Amino acid sequence: KAGVTQTPRYLIKTRGQQVTLSCSPISGHRSVSWYQQTPGQGLQFLFEYFSETQRNKGNFPGRFSGRQFSNSRSEMNVSTLELGDSALYLCASSLAGGGGYNEQFFGPGTRLTVL
Amino acid sequence: SQQGEEDPQALSIQEGENATMNCSYKTSINNLQWYRQNSGRGLVHLILIRSNEREKHSGRLRVTLDTSKKSSSLLITASRAADTASYFCATDTVGSGNTPLVFGKGTRLSVIA
Repeated sequence: KAGVTQTPRYLIKTRGQQVTLSCSPISGHRSVSWYQQTPGQGLQFLFEYFSETQRNKGNFPGRFSGRQFSNSRSEMNVSTLELGDSALYLCASSLAGGGGYNEQFFGPGTRLTVL
Repeated sequence: SQQGEEDPQALSIQEGENATMNCSYKTSINNLQWYRQNSGRGLVHLILIRSNEREKHSGRLRVTLDTSKKSSSLLITASRAADTASYFCATDTVGSGNTPLVFGKGTRLSVIA
């Protein structure tokens, strides 16, 4: 079974631009969660989608948004990029849910650099 | 906000030695998980332990959970250079529904050959 894939792997943007990141979960997994990882704040939960519905949302500004398609693929969008948005963005999929009851399968991440 | 806090922040040992990492958390949990991350890549799930379990083993890994002290430990026995990575604990929160995982800041383990 193919693992979780994320595209692109690396991205360089400038302040004020917007960016869309993509995540394809493991086949059959209906839950996709997104995390932001920075040296200062560590791994922080952004949101979780399950069967095309946002089920949980972390404490991030409205510039961060996401969606999930009927094939469970997910995208996240960051508008009006700020320098502080530079981070590794990780996507994780699971069979039944993104919480503590289930093992999460992580993708390799998208490294976003904002200049 | 961080729920789990790993200790130590960094650990350096010789190959063949055992490595112990600790995690403390603040609120009651349903489950606690440990993950490994190699140098800026995705995380790999190691073990999930439920709040009614006290100990769990997987190969060279042993995880304990003490809910009265709100703490967990991860023991890697007979460490190898390939175990060099960051290790994170992640917890959910007792409440309604499926609450998201909250990760600690991790322990960086270096295993020297």
